[in-house]
Amino acid sequence: NAGVTQTPKFQVLKTGQSMTLQCAQDMNHNSMYWYRQDPGMGLRLIYYSASEGTTDKGEVPNGYNVSRLNKREFSLRLESAAPSQTSVYFCASSESVRSYNEQFFGPGTRLTVL
Amino acid sequence: SQQGEEDPQALSIQEGENATMNCSYKTSINNLQWYRQNSGRGLVHLILIRSNEREKHSGRLRVTLDTSKKSSSLLITASRAADTASYFCATDFETSGSRLTFGEGTQLTVNP
Repeated sequence: NAGVTQTPKFQVLKTGQSMTLQCAQDMNHNSMYWYRQDPGMGLRLIYYSASEGTTDKGEVPNGYNVSRLNKREFSLRLESAAPSQTSVYFCASSESVRSYNEQFFGPGTRLTVL
Repeated sequence: SQQGEEDPQALSIQEGENATMNCSYKTSINNLQWYRQNSGRGLVHLILIRSNEREKHSGRLRVTLDTSKKSSSLLITASRAADTASYFCATDFETSGSRLTFGEGTQLTVNP
């Protein structure tokens, strides 16, 4: 099993450009998450999907949109990138959103916005 | 929402020593998890402790939970260079026991 995969691994954008980060999991998990991690900080939740067909805002949703394409895939879109969105983005999945469930993380996407 | 706060922010020890990291949180929790993050990688789950548990062990890891003090500690015994990583605690985002919120982490360096 590949677990949680993310593409791309690295990306450089210019201010105002758009892009979509892709995430897929092969563990048949119901819930998926997008986090961002800034230097020396913990993870902040951008959006999550408790189950296929649902999405909800996390702590820092502004400037992002998401799509739960099917049970396996959850994408994150930056419509008009800003330098403040320079960060490392992690996708994660879990059996459910209940806090006793372990979350499984992808390797991350390093995004730089110039 | 509440967020766990780890202490210390950074810890440097010699191989073979024990490492202790602490996590404090603000409101009652249902569950608390600890994760490890190696440099440039995603987080990996280490251990879960529930609010009705006081101590759990997993290999060289020992986690304690003191709900009266709203704090948890992670002890790594006989540390190895490979334990060098950031360690995060994660608690319930809401008292309902849904979702997780992560602290800012403790950076542990184990010197050979």
